[in-house]
Amino acid sequence: NAGVTQTPKFQVLKTGQSMTLQCAQDMNHEYMSWYRQDPGMGLRLIHYSVGAGITDQGEVPNGYNVSRSTTEDFPLRLLSAAPSQTSVYFCASAGQGAWETQYFGPGTRLLVL
Amino acid sequence: RKEVEQDPGPFNVPEGATVAFNCTYSNSASQSFFWYRQDCRKEPKLLMSVYSSGNEDGRFTAQLNRASQYISLLIRDSKLSDSATYLCVVNMRSNYQLIWGAGTKLIIKP
Repeated sequence: NAGVTQTPKFQVLKTGQSMTLQCAQDMNHEYMSWYRQDPGMGLRLIHYSVGAGITDQGEVPNGYNVSRSTTEDFPLRLLSAAPSQTSVYFCASAGQGAWETQYFGPGTRLLVL
Repeated sequence: RKEVEQDPGPFNVPEGATVAFNCTYSNSASQSFFWYRQDCRKEPKLLMSVYSSGNEDGRFTAQLNRASQYISLLIRDSKLSDSATYLCVVNMRSNYQLIWGAGTKLIIKP
């Protein structure tokens, strides 16, 4: 099993550009989530999903969209990148009934100029 | 006030020593508690859950003090490979959202 995979590993964007961060898991997990990690702060939840077709907002959803058309994939879309979105983005997944035990992808480092 | 607070460190500890650090949380109704470990420039990984009765896994012991609203992590006989940032995580509201501390950095020196 590959676990949770994320692409790309690194990305540089200009202000106003859009892009999609990809996340996939092969563990048949129902729960998936996106976090951002900034220096001196804990991980902050952007969006999460408890199953295909179901998504909900986390603590910091503004400027981001998600969709969950399959159990495996949970892409995160930046609509119009801003320098404040410079961060490390982690995708995580968890099995049904054990959503607190989260398995993380390797992260995407995003720089917005 | 942050919902989950940790001493950022770094804690510089000689190999073989015992080290402990705490994490305080703001919501007395919090339900579940965890320690995750994050190596430099890597993803977080679950280290252990923290039960009301405490939890021990090898050299690691985690404890919960609900009265004072903190959890602790004790590492005995520390190894160089224990060097990492330890993240305190709390389920405060049972709405599929975990609250993460900013982490305590631990450096084990030979």
